[in-house]
Amino acid sequence: DQQVKQNSPSLSVQEGRISILNCDYTNSMFDYFLWYKKYPAEGPTFLISISSIKDKNEDGRFTVFLNKSAKHLSLHIVPSQPGDSAVYFCAASGAQGAQKLVFGQGTRLTINP
Amino acid sequence: NAGVMQNPRHLVRRRGQEARLRCSPMKGHSHVYWYRQLPEEGLKFMVYLQKENIIDESGMPKERFSAEFPKEGPSILRIQQVVRGDSAAYFCASSLSTGSNEKLFFGSGTQLSVL
Repeated sequence: DQQVKQNSPSLSVQEGRISILNCDYTNSMFDYFLWYKKYPAEGPTFLISISSIKDKNEDGRFTVFLNKSAKHLSLHIVPSQPGDSAVYFCAASGAQGAQKLVFGQGTRLTINP
Repeated sequence: NAGVMQNPRHLVRRRGQEARLRCSPMKGHSHVYWYRQLPEEGLKFMVYLQKENIIDESGMPKERFSAEFPKEGPSILRIQQVVRGDSAAYFCASSLSTGSNEKLFFGSGTQLSVL
């Protein structure tokens, strides 16, 4: 039962262009969504989050969009930089506990110079 | 280093042995979570502990797995009689509280390999 899905296992983007990572969820009880970034041999690090009462949250080069009716969120990175190359995980939480996160499978982003 | 510390980074066990994974939360954090990442999958919640209490173990396998967070010392995830399917990366996270916007801080993980 995959409640959070990232359907693109990998994404390759030219440096300087926009990277768009997508995430879909099925559980309508989720009310908080997060993106984590993970480098090899390291733990995930928090990137950006959004509450279900918003449809957009921006932090520097990173913007997360939430479409509740479609149960879809996306992460936009612009401009993309080589250091952004990593695996990105979408995660969601809800009534079951704010820290009991449900993660997607991850998308490996590669930024090409 | 004020981050979440996990050790060992790599652990190799033969089938039937026991594995003990340790986690020291960030300074001041009293909430600890264990997640497991199988190959090519996302992280999956296992257990949530506070000092001396298991709060939510709904993600823990029913047998062979246990976790504790004693009053003194690190949190321990214990896997008895390991099998090959236990091979995975085990991540510990901690948080300051459990507010709705409280972030989790993850350690670097322990990669368990069962031969």
